[in-house]
Amino acid sequence: KQEVTQIPAALSVPEGENLVLNCSFTDSAIYNLQWFRQDPGKGLTSLLLIQSSQREQTSGRLNASLDKSSGRSTLYIAASQPGDSATYLCAVRPRDTNAGKSTFGDGTTLTVKP
Amino acid sequence: NAGVTQTPKFQVLKTGQSMTLQCAQDMNHEYMSWYRQDPGMGLRLIHYSVGAGITDQGEVPNGYNVSRSTTEDFPLRLLSAAPSQTSVYFCASSYSAFSGANVLTFGAGSRLTVL
Repeated sequence: KQEVTQIPAALSVPEGENLVLNCSFTDSAIYNLQWFRQDPGKGLTSLLLIQSSQREQTSGRLNASLDKSSGRSTLYIAASQPGDSATYLCAVRPRDTNAGKSTFGDGTTLTVKP
Repeated sequence: NAGVTQTPKFQVLKTGQSMTLQCAQDMNHEYMSWYRQDPGMGLRLIHYSVGAGITDQGEVPNGYNVSRSTTEDFPLRLLSAAPSQTSVYFCASSYSAFSGANVLTFGAGSRLTVL
């Protein structure tokens, strides 16, 4: 069974700091890994998707990397802002017959202090 | 283009009542799914569908039914609501389950309270 772990569970940083969020998974037979943002009381917003054949994806101040062999992904946020405060979740989509069963980590709650 | 639309946004039920959470998407997505999100438990998959007429169970299917008669709609039925089903429910869809290129898109959620 695929297990997805996100460490740390919570992170507090001062504005302007660069930071890294971690996501690890146990089964490397995946189609992709996707990073989401969730604001309190809201739905999930997709940030970045990395296909299994890719090593990284970038969008603005966000950069996500994938090392499938070690079962790890990182989300790098540059020059953090208070508006980045949210919970960040990663999800892996398994390959083939289990492709319908995406598995989520429990998330990292980020607080960026002005 | 509305994306994934969930109704209702909020619902209060009494134990034993039945109801249907609606999910509709206008993106011609083959794959649709239902998750529940509970504090300390994360997002857990209830049921999913890889195409019209095809459904399968996820991690926590007991107490819920689904059907997929059209590509656009994937309703989630609670047969006899229990307090343990108090949760926030999310519907998600993607063009296909069987590709790495397909982004999973979420609805805004439905908050259900069972008294």
